[in-house]
Amino acid sequence: EVQLLESGGGLVQPGGSLRLSCAASGFTFSTYPMGWVRQAPGKGLEWVSILTGDGGATYYADSVKGRFTISRDNSENTVYLQMNSLRAEDTAVYYCAKRAPGGGWPYDSWGQGTLVTVSS
Amino acid sequence: QSALTQPASVSGSPGQSITVSCTGTSSDVGGYNYVSWYQQPPGKAPKLMIYEVSNRPSGVSNRFSGSKSGNTASLTISGLQAEDEADYYCSSYTSSTTLVFGGGTKLTVL
Repeated sequence: EVQLLESGGGLVQPGGSLRLSCAASGFTFSTYPMGWVRQAPGKGLEWVSILTGDGGATYYADSVKGRFTISRDNSENTVYLQMNSLRAEDTAVYYCAKRAPGGGWPYDSWGQGTLVTVSS
Repeated sequence: QSALTQPASVSGSPGQSITVSCTGTSSDVGGYNYVSWYQQPPGKAPKLMIYEVSNRPSGVSNRFSGSKSGNTASLTISGLQAEDEADYYCSSYTSSTTLVFGGGTKLTVL
């Protein structure tokens, strides 16, 4: 059974940094692209980032480009999201997700999410 | 990248069919057969229901089906059940090598 467990969320001041982690199990981690999707309180889903199985290619939403960095450690079956220069509008539940086979980056497994609150 | 356009809400009675639309542009929905649909019950994580416009992952009921015409994709749920009540989101790959979601549609089973 695929399991994704996010951690690292919390309260941070505007301009601060936070690193999210997502520990994966139940599948061959290194062969699957992994991504992050966020959801502001009471709002819809917003795609954040994705990286390939070997970590060699990364893609970002314009709203986070230059501030967030996605990475992975295939020896630890973990994907990370380093978030810098945080803004109030980054407040959201951040979901880690495993990309499914198929075109268009569908995500077939999701974690339960970790809440990031950016506030002074 | 602007969000795809979905109706804010739809409703139907048990046993009926409903359709949720998802409108984008030629740079996303219209340009690729890469539309996915997700179901998100209140307080839970999203679940993939449809990928590549009309394909169902293993385990998803065949009451859920997807289609596309031009820049608009659609999700149809037939034989509506109380357990289908949730928020539904579409997503599409884009020409900018990103992913864009729709604003979400709240389905109420009357």
